[in-house]
Amino acid sequence: GALVYQYPRRTICKSGTSMRMECQAVGFQATSVAWYRQSPQKTFELIALSTVNSAIKYEQNFTQEKFPISHPNLSFSSMTVLNAYLEDRGLYLCGAREDTGQLYFGEGSKLTVL
Amino acid sequence: AQSVTQPDARVTVSEGASLQLRCKYSYSGTPYLFWYVQYPRQGLQLLLKYYSGDPVVQGVNGFEAEFSKSNSSFHLRKASVHWSDSAVYFCVLSAGNSAGNKLTFGIGTRVLVRP
Repeated sequence: GALVYQYPRRTICKSGTSMRMECQAVGFQATSVAWYRQSPQKTFELIALSTVNSAIKYEQNFTQEKFPISHPNLSFSSMTVLNAYLEDRGLYLCGAREDTGQLYFGEGSKLTVL
Repeated sequence: AQSVTQPDARVTVSEGASLQLRCKYSYSGTPYLFWYVQYPRQGLQLLLKYYSGDPVVQGVNGFEAEFSKSNSSFHLRKASVHWSDSAVYFCVLSAGNSAGNKLTFGIGTRVLVRP
């Protein structure tokens, strides 16, 4: 079956440090990968959308300088939260879409910033 | 622009009772609509989706949703809830089904099922 694995599931980092998270599509090739953040008591916000053969598109309030994303192939994507501060805490979710349009989400990577 | 409104932040029901969660969307084109559930300390799980056809769609665990173009709504229902249905439910809109379509999430409705 098709699955999306996210790693790590949980991270605690000190304020001002960085945290890298990974997203692996298993059982299918992802034509696009989207990264979302769910801040405490809030809904999911789109950070960026990475589509095959297109540049990564960041949403307003999110930048490549703060959230660099690597999408080297159709099965793998990684995103780093640089210089993390309290407002960056939350659940980071990866969603991968296959060519049929079917969308799969990972379990999320929870970031706690001390 | 597209948006999703879930007017009820919290809903409390007794086990065995029926449940309806409301969702209104705003989008000028043909929407693709989803309901996802987030159990405590977990990611998102798909309950059901609507692309076209029969406006009533069946999902997992006895959930169903009804699409109404005239009302711009996609309400979720379950005839008889179980305590394990306690979770946060998200209504989600996609402008299309292709790789470049982003999702717009509602704020979520937290459901508490009392034993």
